[in-house]
Amino acid sequence: EDQVTQSPEALRLQEGESSSLNCSYTVSGLRGLFWYRQDPGKGPEFLFTLYSAGEEKEKERLKATLTKKESFLHITAPKPEDSATYLCAVQPQPNFGNEKLTFGTGTRLTIIP
Amino acid sequence: KAGVTQTPRYLIKTRGQQVTLSCSPISGHRSVSWYQQTPGQGLQFLFEYFSETQRNKGNFPGRFSGRQFSNSRSEMNVSTLELGDSALYLCASSFRSSPGTDTQYFGPGTRLTVL
Repeated sequence: EDQVTQSPEALRLQEGESSSLNCSYTVSGLRGLFWYRQDPGKGPEFLFTLYSAGEEKEKERLKATLTKKESFLHITAPKPEDSATYLCAVQPQPNFGNEKLTFGTGTRLTIIP
Repeated sequence: KAGVTQTPRYLIKTRGQQVTLSCSPISGHRSVSWYQQTPGQGLQFLFEYFSETQRNKGNFPGRFSGRQFSNSRSEMNVSTLELGDSALYLCASSFRSSPGTDTQYFGPGTRLTVL
């Protein structure tokens, strides 16, 4: 069964203090790894899709990287508006149509002004 | 382009009742997935529909069901509601026709409270 573990569960940073969030996964064959941001009471907002080890993607202060066993979401010089829960999910290779996303429980990030 | 819409946004029901939630995907998207989100369990996959056919199903009891219409709009139904069904129900749509088009975009969710 596919599994996703995110760490830390919660992270408090000062504004401008860079850090990384971790997503460890086990999946029979990876089709894609997804990062989402979720604000309280709202649906997850898509950030990145990564497909193969070594791939990197950037968006503003965020950079996602992927290895064969984990993904990192690096946040550089964060601002208070980056405060949110960050979710990681994996999708396995097609296997008789079973391609559902398996989510981690998220990292709750708080940026202190 | 309009995003995924879900109605209603909030619902309060009592135990034993049934409820129907609606989801309109992004225009052109053919796949709709449903998830249940609770503080303790996080996001749990319910089912996915593609071209009116259920393609995947999660580990939920038969009280949870869904369907998809020819215009890709989807509904999910929960019968005989239990207190534990209180959650945020999220719908996500994707184009899903080939690798690289699998990104799922989420709606705002329906907050269901069972009393």
